[in-house]
Amino acid sequence: GAVVSQHPSWVICKSGTSVKIECRSLDFQATTMFWYRQFPKQSLMLMATSNEGSKATYEQGVEKDKFLINHASLTLSTLTVTSAHPEDSSFYICSARASGRAADTQYFGPGTRLTVL
Amino acid sequence: LAKTTQPISMDSYEGQEVNITCSHNNIATNDYITWYQQFPSQGPRFIIQGYKTKVTNEVASLFIPADRKSSTLSLPRVSLSDTAVYYCLVGDEGDSSYKLIFGSGTRLLVRP
Repeated sequence: GAVVSQHPSWVICKSGTSVKIECRSLDFQATTMFWYRQFPKQSLMLMATSNEGSKATYEQGVEKDKFLINHASLTLSTLTVTSAHPEDSSFYICSARASGRAADTQYFGPGTRLTVL
Repeated sequence: LAKTTQPISMDSYEGQEVNITCSHNNIATNDYITWYQQFPSQGPRFIIQGYKTKVTNEVASLFIPADRKSSTLSLPRVSLSDTAVYYCLVGDEGDSSYKLIFGSGTRLLVRP
């Protein structure tokens, strides 16, 4: 299947700092990318959907000023956690699909473990 | 809200066939059914996707009845390494794009 990468795979930061996570589709162009968050023993929660070249659409309850998403190219989306706090510690997973069509498979990255001290 | 319902957990033994059934009573005409596998601290891995009838690949089969209100993932001869969480997903027409909302998944434990 298609490959989606994330960088870094893990990050530890101090409270109040900002952290950027990159998501890349390596062998296909992704018009649509998604960001999820997963807490221990829980399912994935969709945070936002981004289409290349346009603003991200955030799910209810997700602060857009805190979780900045940029989808500047067809192979790269970034999530910046601004002024991170310990409650932002989580496993962040991106995914990508070639288009917005239902038939297109959505592929997931390996995830990024964020720990905020 | 997730559009699917599946058992919270299942137990099996090595070498057995495992069938996990998922209900999606409100599936839309253009929805596909997709199954993923997730190991701890990893992103979900695509297993199989289908629209109707039966789909088979090298790792699994997916059975979808004519009314498409449910689907069954079949894993032949499971091994210990198949212990994972399995998610059944049907898309959601969002404001900007077709998106996948995860339910709780099925935690499969394969015993020796």
